[in-house]
Amino acid sequence: GAGVSQSPSNKVTEKGKDVELRCDPISGHTALYWYRQSLGQGLEFLIYFQGNSAPDKSGLPSDRFSAERTGGSVSTLTIQRTQQEDSAVYLCASSLARGMGPGELFFGEGSRLTVL
Amino acid sequence: SQQGEEDPQALSIQEGENATMNCSYKTSINNLQWYRQNSGRGLVHLILIRSNEREKHSGRLRVTLDTSKKSSSLLITASRAADTASYFCATEYSSYKLIFGSGTRLLVRP
Repeated sequence: GAGVSQSPSNKVTEKGKDVELRCDPISGHTALYWYRQSLGQGLEFLIYFQGNSAPDKSGLPSDRFSAERTGGSVSTLTIQRTQQEDSAVYLCASSLARGMGPGELFFGEGSRLTVL
Repeated sequence: SQQGEEDPQALSIQEGENATMNCSYKTSINNLQWYRQNSGRGLVHLILIRSNEREKHSGRLRVTLDTSKKSSSLLITASRAADTASYFCATEYSSYKLIFGSGTRLLVRP
């Protein structure tokens, strides 16, 4: 597709269940980012992947959160044993990352997670 | 926290007026970007300013960067109702990490 695609767009789950959120970046983009946004708040950095380098996981809030990027393309964010405070919109973005720095990020529409 | 802070948190102006939003950060940066978000979903890139630049223009947008004060401002001139959105600054630190500020909610009244 032409843009960053995220699925599901909405997910309602029960406390304690595991969830997987998927991100399809723009083809050819080497950098991929995950952010979390609670209602009315700013974006909280979670993790980024750049090429073949080790991902920067410094923003993951707990060991219940993990992410992987297979084949340098699709990424999955997994939240184990979900808690109510995990409820938020999870945003994925990708960029060409040519030269110094990430450059312009292209965002998906996000996955809204609600934990009951 | 490396997160930038923006002010004001909310801004309400009349159509045709100018809107100014400010962003402050704590440590040295490589570049700074501004984004816009409608309806709490995906963000759209507006402009990028490098640490060695002081001012940049794009259409009705003007961005300034003062690295000595660790601050940036976004000016939207001749605002329109369609400019109503949340605006975020994002600072690039080492490598590819991009940290977003808390955002300014702009309301442009017709």
